[in-house]
Amino acid sequence: DVKVTQSSRYLVKRTGEKVFLECVQDMDHENMFWYRQDPGLGLRLIYFSYDVKMKEKGDIPEGYSVSREKKERFSLILESASTNQTSMYLCASRPTRGRVLGYTFGSGTRLTVV
Amino acid sequence: DQQVKQNSPSLSVQEGRISILNCDYTNSMFDYFLWYKKYPAEGPTFLISISSIKDKNEDGRFTVFLNKSAKHLSLHIVPSQPGDSAVYFCAASRWTGNQFYFGTGTSLTVIP
Repeated sequence: DVKVTQSSRYLVKRTGEKVFLECVQDMDHENMFWYRQDPGLGLRLIYFSYDVKMKEKGDIPEGYSVSREKKERFSLILESASTNQTSMYLCASRPTRGRVLGYTFGSGTRLTVV
Repeated sequence: DQQVKQNSPSLSVQEGRISILNCDYTNSMFDYFLWYKKYPAEGPTFLISISSIKDKNEDGRFTVFLNKSAKHLSLHIVPSQPGDSAVYFCAASRWTGNQFYFGTGTSLTVIP
């Protein structure tokens, strides 16, 4: 069964902490994405990567950075966590070619910043 | 600017009846569309897709309709079951693009 695995289901961090959210996929997908989901706002794209060491800003990159050193791993970094970054974070991957080109999502990380 | 819109935040339907979830998009370059289902505290799971060369795609109880001229798609669930209660997101992309654009979701409640 193909998978996108996010390292933590729930996290509680303090304001100002540096936070790392890890995501690993085993499908050899070229593209990986970080979204956050907030009530009434849907899924908003933070960053994505279409290849190792490549990254592109999404719609709401401020306060975030990413790292993709290996094809299977895409990390989201909150440089200095703030309370407005409390959210559900979703990692996804997508192939560049194939019959169905939709995302496969991880289970999500519910981050609370206090 | 929201390129994909789901104007109904919530929908309640009796078990056994039809559920119709709607989605509108503004970018005429979109040519590939998906529906995802999401339970609380879980990631979204893929439900059904449609490309712009079709106007209908069926998979069991789920059918997606695409009206390109109206830039509108809809998801029909027949018959609706209590286990279908979840948040449904539509998403759109260019076939050659990397990114999907998501709507804000519709929370479906199927009443037993």
